[in-house]
Amino acid sequence: GAGVSQSPSNKVTEKGKDVELRCDPISGHTALYWYRQRLGQGLEFLIYFQGNSAPDKSGLPSDRFSAERTGESVSTLTIQRTQQEDSAVYLCASSPWTGTGELFFGEGSRLTVL
Amino acid sequence: EDQVTQSPEALRLQEGESSSLNCSYTVSGLRGLFWYRQDPGKGPEFLFTLYSAGEEKEKERLKATLTKKESFLHITAPKPEDSATYLCAVIDTDKLIFGTGTRLQVFP
Repeated sequence: GAGVSQSPSNKVTEKGKDVELRCDPISGHTALYWYRQRLGQGLEFLIYFQGNSAPDKSGLPSDRFSAERTGESVSTLTIQRTQQEDSAVYLCASSPWTGTGELFFGEGSRLTVL
Repeated sequence: EDQVTQSPEALRLQEGESSSLNCSYTVSGLRGLFWYRQDPGKGPEFLFTLYSAGEEKEKERLKATLTKKESFLHITAPKPEDSATYLCAVIDTDKLIFGTGTRLQVFP
């Protein structure tokens, strides 16, 4: 069956440009999470969605970061005016409901800011 | 603030050499301790959930255990295909908080 799908798998951009990262969760999963993983480091929570509302945006590093979700489907993470410190793998995960620790992850979008 | 600390950061084992990975946590009201495996270039893959002290879960060569302050992932007679980064996590207000992981390398 289809898992969590993320695109693009790789993105190279210049400092100051905007980027959009997309996540297609498993069908029927109401909860969707975004994490950031810098090279050699652990997963850093960014934001999660319950349906199309975002109860917890506490992990977004700055106002350059935003995310939205359409219904219980696709989510987009947007980074405006990218900086070199934004370079990382951005991982998306989904689960049937919130409050569970069993998440299904995509393979990530690797962002490199030159 | 809830915290998850893993040790060691990296572990090199000979094939067949058993060992344990540690995950210490501080959380108000544990709602589960979760272990994941992450292969290079991939997203983490769920392995186990432990809910209460004394609980144990097994899968092939892996066994996870839980006390009131820490969890151990025991690897018995590992094989090269067990090489990966192992992450533990706890729930904090409906989101998972991860440790930084232990990078395991098993050599033939």
